[in-house]
Amino acid sequence: ETGVTQSPTHLIKTRGQQVTLRCSSQSGHNTVSWYQQALGQGPQFIFQYYREEENGRGNFPPRFSGLQFPNYSSELNVNALELDDSALYLCALMDGTRGGYTFGSGTRLTVV
Amino acid sequence: AQSVTQPDIHITVSEGASLELRCNYSYGATPYLFWYVQSPGQGLQLLLKYFSGDTLVQGIKGFEAEFKRSQSSFNLRKPSVHWSDAAEYFCAVGPNDMRFGAGTRLTVKP
Repeated sequence: ETGVTQSPTHLIKTRGQQVTLRCSSQSGHNTVSWYQQALGQGPQFIFQYYREEENGRGNFPPRFSGLQFPNYSSELNVNALELDDSALYLCALMDGTRGGYTFGSGTRLTVV
Repeated sequence: AQSVTQPDIHITVSEGASLELRCNYSYGATPYLFWYVQSPGQGLQLLLKYFSGDTLVQGIKGFEAEFKRSQSSFNLRKPSVHWSDAAEYFCAVGPNDMRFGAGTRLTVKP
């Protein structure tokens, strides 16, 4: 039990559709990061939110967007899905120790 | 730009043997370094982290890692591997937008 909940756990979408992935925890975390992990690869940094504002972004196009809510839950939205978007999407919350993150179990997205 | 290299894609060791997984990093300032483990279909679990101080850090499950600034390395070690250690291991550099290596898959032979 990581304390970080991601939903849904699995999802199948059609190319061109839009998807929303969610992340929450029982305790508040003001910093959340999202990662994309393609099969057989390491996680790639998508972006980070701090107090509801985007606070850093990796090499991902604008169709990847996010939100962080006052209750510190977070969403990752992906528009115009492409086949290459098929991956495990991980949410990571900064824990009390500076620079350390706790990861959720991820959402497995398949685009067909 | 920060980056991490894990030279070994796949390592096989016998149960009870020692283990060392290599990690080299590139970072402009003092790095925050992490090792995570991932079982199939699961998220990432933090094994240990280094921020400053003693360059030999102890983690969970009997793992340790040594930070060597001169070699830009942060290798993970375990003196005696158990079958349950079979997993994917990722090295990462931070502190904020953490960058991960491609991972090393560990297989443990009986």
